[in-house]
Amino acid sequence: SQQGEEDPQALSIQEGENATMNCSYKTSINNLQWYRQNSGRGLVHLILIRSNEREKHSGRLRVTLDTSKKSSSLLITASRAADTASYFCATHLPMNTGNQFYFGTGTSLTVIP
Amino acid sequence: DAGVIQSPRHEVTEMGQEVTLRCKPISGHNSLFWYRQTMMRGLELLIYFNNNVPIDDSGMPEDRFSAKMPNASFSTLKIQPSEPRDSAVYFCASRPDRMQNTEAFFGQGTRLTVV
Repeated sequence: SQQGEEDPQALSIQEGENATMNCSYKTSINNLQWYRQNSGRGLVHLILIRSNEREKHSGRLRVTLDTSKKSSSLLITASRAADTASYFCATHLPMNTGNQFYFGTGTSLTVIP
Repeated sequence: DAGVIQSPRHEVTEMGQEVTLRCKPISGHNSLFWYRQTMMRGLELLIYFNNNVPIDDSGMPEDRFSAKMPNASFSTLKIQPSEPRDSAVYFCASRPDRMQNTEAFFGQGTRLTVV
């Protein structure tokens, strides 16, 4: 991909379990964002973490960022069937390197009721 | 605001025909992105505009693809001539850049099928 790789590519869990997906990227970033895409729909923003932050929470979501390893993880706790979707990390490059916005390869999450 | 509006939602065309995809960004957003999504290649950034000016078009696959942003409220992505391998979902996204750390807002996409 242009910037990031995510793993696993696909993840299947039981409702109530936690889901963890990882993102690795290549260059310096301004911030990293996670998006969700339901089948056949557009992408919806979930959470943003700045390059000087290490952890962020939003409801059942927990995001970590390690800029030294150029990696991030998204944890969804107490998963629900409605969480079934594809999840993408996106890196926002700094203004002085172009200000572009690149997406990773995505993780397809299936939550089994 | 109604969000980012893309049209058409679906387009089926014959190989060799010209295709024009349209995007209306959210009012006040000064960055606009066009992405292409396929199973094989994921979400690819095609072109990025800032204040109506193309900043980075390095992702545009080839000369058959062109994009314009004549004003702050409208952008087009044109493929001429279209080929079957152009079949994909094309997304437009906009973002306000007055503050650095902001999210991008996506349209619902245009599903293009070239037969």
